Formats: sequence, structure tokens, C-alpha cells
Amino acid sequence: GGIITQTPKFLIGQEGQKLTLKCQQNFNHDTMYWYRQDSGKGLRLIYYSITENDLQKGDLSEGYDASREKKSSFSLTVTSAQKNEMAVFLCASSITGGDTQYFGPGTRLLVL
Amino acid sequence: GQQVQQSPASLVLQEGENAELQCNFSTSLNSMQWFYQRPGGSLVSLFYNPSGTKHSGRLTSTTVIKERRSSLHISSSQTTDSGTYLCALDTNTGKLTFGDGTVLTVKP
Repeated sequence: GGIITQTPKFLIGQEGQKLTLKCQQNFNHDTMYWYRQDSGKGLRLIYYSITENDLQKGDLSEGYDASREKKSSFSLTVTSAQKNEMAVFLCASSITGGDTQYFGPGTRLLVL
Repeated sequence: GQQVQQSPASLVLQEGENAELQCNFSTSLNSMQWFYQRPGGSLVSLFYNPSGTKHSGRLTSTTVIKERRSSLHISSSQTTDSGTYLCALDTNTGKLTFGDGTVLTVKP
């Protein structure tokens, strides 16, 4: 088995601030994903990466940057936090794209 | 329009009752995944089901591609089944498209 860890668990920022969320997995999976979930809604894909140093835009990439520094880690940056970005950000990984995805516990973002 | 639609949006059951959750999709699929999301956020994969019927304990998933639907059946519900159930469409692009979920509440 393996585990996905996300840090921080809670993130409070100011409007306009640049904020970074981190994700680590020890499954040795090739593909990693970042999703955003708004209250009462499903998940929407922000960015994904099929291998180290690869980046692919999802449906919601505007306003975000991502970085796949190494196979086990995938970071997401909110480039300028906005009040309507209070949401949960979920990281996931899979062996390859199209396989079962495994999720981390999430980072809850609150913008003041 | 939305590619993946889940119904009902919410469901309240008495412990011991069965639940049938539906997911309808408007595009071709490689597979359908069902997830359980605990109150608090983390997702657990329940089924990866490209077609046909799969069983896991009290859970059954059925995907009928021709009818563009997938269902999740929970038998003999328990209070610990409470939470949000999400279906997600995999169109073989490596990306999942999620429905908005069904919030299930099982009362003792």
C-alpha cells in the first residue's frame, strides 16, 4: 500500500496573495492530479502530470500554476488568491492516466 | 450541458434500507469510477467499472454503456454509510469528469 499526504491541511490567505499547496505520494505512481471541490459540488481538474517535469492543463487551470518537481511530489500554486476560491483542493495519483485514482485528504483554503 | 449527472442529489434512509444511486453520462466512456467521500473530504475508490456488474460486500455497481448510465446499489444500509457518493467518467484521456454527488444520510 501507499499514502498521499497533502500540506498544509488548512491554509488561510489574504486576497491577492500567492499560495502554494504541496502533495507527496509514495505509491511510485507516474500520474498525479490536482482537483478543486467547491461546497456541494463534484471535483474539477486543475492540472495533471503524467511524469516528472510534465504538466497538462485541466478544465480549471486559469489562476493556477503547478510544478512536478520529482515523481513523488506535485505542487499547486494559487497565483493570486480571490475570495471566491474558498474550496477544498484534492491531490490524487494513479499508476498511469486512466487507472484508478487514489486521493489525499485535501487542503482547505480560506481567503480573507 | 453537464457531461455527468447524478441523482438523487440527496437521500435519507433508515438503517437497513437499500439505496440506489444513479449516474448518467452524455459522452462515450472508457470507464466509470465510483467514490465515497467521508465527511471531512478524503475520497475512497469504490469501483472502477467499464461495463457490467461488480460486487464488493454490500455494494454493487452496474454500468450499461449503451444506455449511458451507471448505478451504485447499497444494500442493508448502515449509519457508517453516510457521506457523499461521487461518480466520475473516464474517457480514456487520463482525466476524470465528476458528477456533483449524492449526499446519503442513514439514520439509526
